[in-house]
Amino acid sequence: GAGVSQSPSNKVTEKGKDVELRCDPISGHTALYWYRQSLGQGLEFLIYFQGNSAPDKSGLPSDRFSAERTGGSVSTLTIQRTQQEDSAVYLCASSFGGSAEQYFGPGTRLTVT
Amino acid sequence: GQSLEQPSEVTAVEGAIVQINCTYQTSGFYGLSWYQQHDGGAPTFLSYNGLDGLEETGRFSSFLSRSDSYGYLLLQELQMKDSASYFCAVRDGRDDKIIFGKGTRLHILP
Repeated sequence: GAGVSQSPSNKVTEKGKDVELRCDPISGHTALYWYRQSLGQGLEFLIYFQGNSAPDKSGLPSDRFSAERTGGSVSTLTIQRTQQEDSAVYLCASSFGGSAEQYFGPGTRLTVT
Repeated sequence: GQSLEQPSEVTAVEGAIVQINCTYQTSGFYGLSWYQQHDGGAPTFLSYNGLDGLEETGRFSSFLSRSDSYGYLLLQELQMKDSASYFCAVRDGRDDKIIFGKGTRLHILP
């Protein structure tokens, strides 16, 4: 089947606007992760879902960030009142159960002007 | 808390062997993984070690010592296409969260 997909691939938004980033995991994968990566930097953990619940939201940078997952499948990461420091590539990954092998989507490049 | 340490950059010559080390601190531990990321691309899974010892997959091998909280990725017969960033990642056994190191940029010289 298809791999992890993310949309949009690129998003340019004005400072102060809200944005929604979408992730479609591999069918049957119960675990879903969101990461943020700035240019030339490592992967910053944001949030993790097991099914529809998020055991760990500790990585969300501020209360402007929120995420949900419905039906144990699609996930949406919402950033309210975007700031220039939110500019980065947002990566989604999924895995089956407790497997350590994650499959990454192509990412959404967010640019806040 | 959890933390992983790996060198920020490593340089090697085409055809040679290079080792990228990773040390970790976690509250719970269920295994060490390695990922490769080319510029502009997404990370891709390379290997996983759940138990001590060496795992070999073609030119790549990965090693784990749980008593030392240490692992490494070994790349043999380096090719120019191996120029990429390499990340180690640990799975926390308490909640299955996977945390990544900051990555090692591998430069390969002809």
